[in-house]
Amino acid sequence: DAGVIQSPRHEVTEMGQEVTLRCKPISGHDYLFWYRQTMMRGLELLIYFNNNVPIDDSGMPEDRFSAKMPNASFSTLKIQPSEPRDSAVYFCASSFGGVEGYTFGSGTRLTVV
Amino acid sequence: SQQGEEDPQALSIQEGENATMNCSYKTSINNLQWYRQNSGRGLVHLILIRSNEREKHSGRLRVTLDTSKKSSSLLITASRAADTASYFCATDAVSKLTFGKGITLSVRP
Repeated sequence: DAGVIQSPRHEVTEMGQEVTLRCKPISGHDYLFWYRQTMMRGLELLIYFNNNVPIDDSGMPEDRFSAKMPNASFSTLKIQPSEPRDSAVYFCASSFGGVEGYTFGSGTRLTVV
Repeated sequence: SQQGEEDPQALSIQEGENATMNCSYKTSINNLQWYRQNSGRGLVHLILIRSNEREKHSGRLRVTLDTSKKSSSLLITASRAADTASYFCATDAVSKLTFGKGITLSVRP
């Protein structure tokens, strides 16, 4: 298995633009998580899905953020409109059963200018 | 909000020495996990210890858990330069992991 695959690796966008981050979890994993990492706040859980259904989105900072998981092999995190304070590394992770170790993707480094 | 808090924030040791990192948390947990993150990369799962376990080993890693003190420690024995990374503890309370801010470990060759 190629692991959790995220795209793009780097994204630079202008304030106000829409940004879409993509994630392909490990086949067979039934949990998918989106995290955001910054120096100031560390790793924050934004939202997680179980069997493609959003379970907890309490970490989504604002209505500008939305996430979808249309099938077991694909998820997106969208920011519209983007702001400079959204600049961070966004990680997707997946796991089986939700109680074992997570497998993380390599992350998307987002810079909003 | 951070559940786990690691200590120290930064650790610098000589190759071959042991590295001990600590983690404290606030609420009851199902399990506690340790992850490593190399610069510019994603997190890699190292070891998981369940709430009913007290000690676990994996290669050069030894993790302990004291639920009465709500604390855990990660010991890396015979450290190598390749162990240089950030290490995070993460607590699982309700099917989601909450991470601490991490410990930066530098192993000098």
